[in-house]
Amino acid sequence: AQKITQTQPGMFVQEKEAVTLDCTYDTSDPSYGLFWYKQPSSGEMIFLIYQGSYDQQNATEGRYSLNFQKARKSANLVISASQLGDSAMYFCAMRGNFNKFYFGSGTKLNVKP
Amino acid sequence: DAGITQSPRHKVTETGTPVTLRCHQTENHRYMYWYRQDPGHGLRLIHYSYGVKDTDKGEVSDGYSVSRSKTEDFLLTLESATSSQTSVYFCAISPATGYTDSYEQYFGPGTRLTVT
Repeated sequence: AQKITQTQPGMFVQEKEAVTLDCTYDTSDPSYGLFWYKQPSSGEMIFLIYQGSYDQQNATEGRYSLNFQKARKSANLVISASQLGDSAMYFCAMRGNFNKFYFGSGTKLNVKP
Repeated sequence: DAGITQSPRHKVTETGTPVTLRCHQTENHRYMYWYRQDPGHGLRLIHYSYGVKDTDKGEVSDGYSVSRSKTEDFLLTLESATSSQTSVYFCAISPATGYTDSYEQYFGPGTRLTVT
C-alpha cells in the first residue's frame, strides 16, 4: 500500500532559524518520486521541491532542501533561514505507479517574528 | 503559471442534488486529477485521467464519477450530493509520461462545495 505520513500537525519556528518538516513514506514500487508542496492561507498549492527515488544527491531549491534517506523511507523538508512568509501548510507527496499521487495530512508551520 | 481553471469556485447545494465541477486546462497535459481536501486528511485522490476517455479510481471514489471527452476538460460529478461531500475540491494536471519523471502536478485554484 502507498502511504505518506506526516507526524507533525503543527510547528513553530523563530524567524531566521532552520526548520525540518518530517515525512515518511511506504511503497513497494521500485521507482517513485517525492514532492513537497506549500499551501498558504490563500489556498493555492505551490510546488517546492522534487526528489527521485534513484537520485543519489539530496535535492535543493534555494532555501529548501530535501533530506532523502531511502533506507529509512524518509523525505524530510528542511527550510533554512525561515521567513514570515513561510507560514503555511506543507504537504509531502509521493508519485507512485500509474502516476498516482499520494499526499500526507500536512504540517502547519508558523514562523514567529 | 499553469493554465488551469476550475468552475464554479464556490457552490452551495442541497443534499440529493447532482453537482458537476469542471476543470479546464490550456497546457495540453496528459494527466488530470481530482482531489478533495479535508482538515486532517490532506489531499485525497478521487479520480484521475491518463488520456481522453481514459480514467481510473483513486482512494475515495465512492459517490463520484468523472468524464474526459476532450484533452482540456475533466468533469467531476456528484450524482446525488451528501453532506459528507462538503469539501474543497482541487483539480491538478501533470505532463508526466512515466513515473520516473520529475514532473510535478500543477493545481487549479480549488472549488469550495457545501452540501446542506
